[in-house]
Amino acid sequence: DTQMTQSPSSLSASVGDRVTITCRASQDIDDYLAWYQQKPGKVPKLLIYGASSLQPGVPSRFSGSGSGTRFTLTISSLQPEDVATYYCQKYNSAPGTFGQGTKVEMK
Amino acid sequence: EVQLVQSGAEVKKPGRSLKISCKTSGYSFAYYWIGWVRQVPGKGPEWMGVIYPGDSDTKYSPSFQGRVTISADKSINTAYLQWNSLKASDSAIYYCARLGVGGWNELRRAFDVWGQGTKVTVSS
Repeated sequence: DTQMTQSPSSLSASVGDRVTITCRASQDIDDYLAWYQQKPGKVPKLLIYGASSLQPGVPSRFSGSGSGTRFTLTISSLQPEDVATYYCQKYNSAPGTFGQGTKVEMK
Repeated sequence: EVQLVQSGAEVKKPGRSLKISCKTSGYSFAYYWIGWVRQVPGKGPEWMGVIYPGDSDTKYSPSFQGRVTISADKSINTAYLQWNSLKASDSAIYYCARLGVGGWNELRRAFDVWGQGTKVTVSS
């Protein structure tokens, strides 16, 4: 099975900072990559699909890029409400493996 | 509005059986894959498996194959996840989610709408 590895595992940033999270797939997954945001005690929320397509209703400060085996999620200007754990997920084939998560905290 | 509403929290003893549900509304249930995701508190989500209600085609993660059964009832727009013999290690929150966006291939899609989660506790 394809493994998904995120880095870093956690980060701390200030309001307004640009934040970048990386996700690597152990095999080529084309652009079948999604990013989810999960706040404590809440349900995961889809942010990005197709590696770079913004889900309707998601703020434009979130963006995704990449293809093949390397992907990034960028928050252009971190806001307090962005404190959460972010997960990548591949969905080119079953199983749709998730990354282990990146916890974003406010400095 | 697309909605997935899951059954309530369960507390069971090891060895017991359990079936939890995910009732959907607001879309054509038969034509979208719907999946189950396990999340142990403090850990990341784990993809368990998916079902296409139109023909009951099912895909399982090797990690869950043989341990759970995913089913669906088109007549009441509801998906199910069941265990025949629970273990303490099955204690987790279980989410159902629809594969709704990402491409023309219904299976190659991301989870766009999620249920609220069902907490399962297995303890003697």
